[in-house]
Amino acid sequence: DTGVSQDPRHKITKRGQNVTFRCDPISEHNRLYWYRQTLGQGPEFLTYFQNEAQLEKSRLLSDRFSAERPKGSFSTLEIQRTEQGDSAMYLCASSLKGLNTEAFFGQGTRLTVV
Amino acid sequence: GEDVEQSLFLSVREGDSSVINCTYTDSSSTYLYWYKQEPGAGLQLLTYIFSNMDMKQDQRLTVLLNKKDKHLSLRIADTQTGDSAIYFCAGSGYSTLTFGKGTMLLVSP
Repeated sequence: DTGVSQDPRHKITKRGQNVTFRCDPISEHNRLYWYRQTLGQGPEFLTYFQNEAQLEKSRLLSDRFSAERPKGSFSTLEIQRTEQGDSAMYLCASSLKGLNTEAFFGQGTRLTVV
Repeated sequence: GEDVEQSLFLSVREGDSSVINCTYTDSSSTYLYWYKQEPGAGLQLLTYIFSNMDMKQDQRLTVLLNKKDKHLSLRIADTQTGDSAIYFCAGSGYSTLTFGKGTMLLVSP
């Protein structure tokens, strides 16, 4: 296992199109997180899963954003009807369950909406 | 919710010590973290401190926590050019992290 893997690394899309990103966590990690990072800012939490259950989704930016983790392994983040303001780096992280377990981050998917 | 503030930029010479500062608002954060991000890369956990500790040392890294002032600092001894990166402090919520905007550290030879 080489760590958290995200695909694609870069995505350019036209405004109004839908995009989907994939995250493969470290295999034994039961928690998976999505963050968004815009230029000059720190990562901003979006949502997280424990196994297949989405335990927090109130911080998803709008109803155009949705995430799934159907079998408790990989996860997808979908953005519908993309807007230019959605351009950002989308980071995935995984960890074991627990109060202080290290979250390992993937290298991110950079989205550019034109 | 948690709010985390950091100074945006720090420039040092190779071999000097670097001190990166952070303030946070939520005293209930159980752990406080320092992450490093190099250009085009994800985040790498450098170190963390439990909220009931005052100091933690890990090789060249020293973390100081002032709970009264809600102030966290990261000291890097003998800073090297390879330490040039953006450093984020983060506080732990229930199951999530709240990050500051990051401090860009530039190390010149």
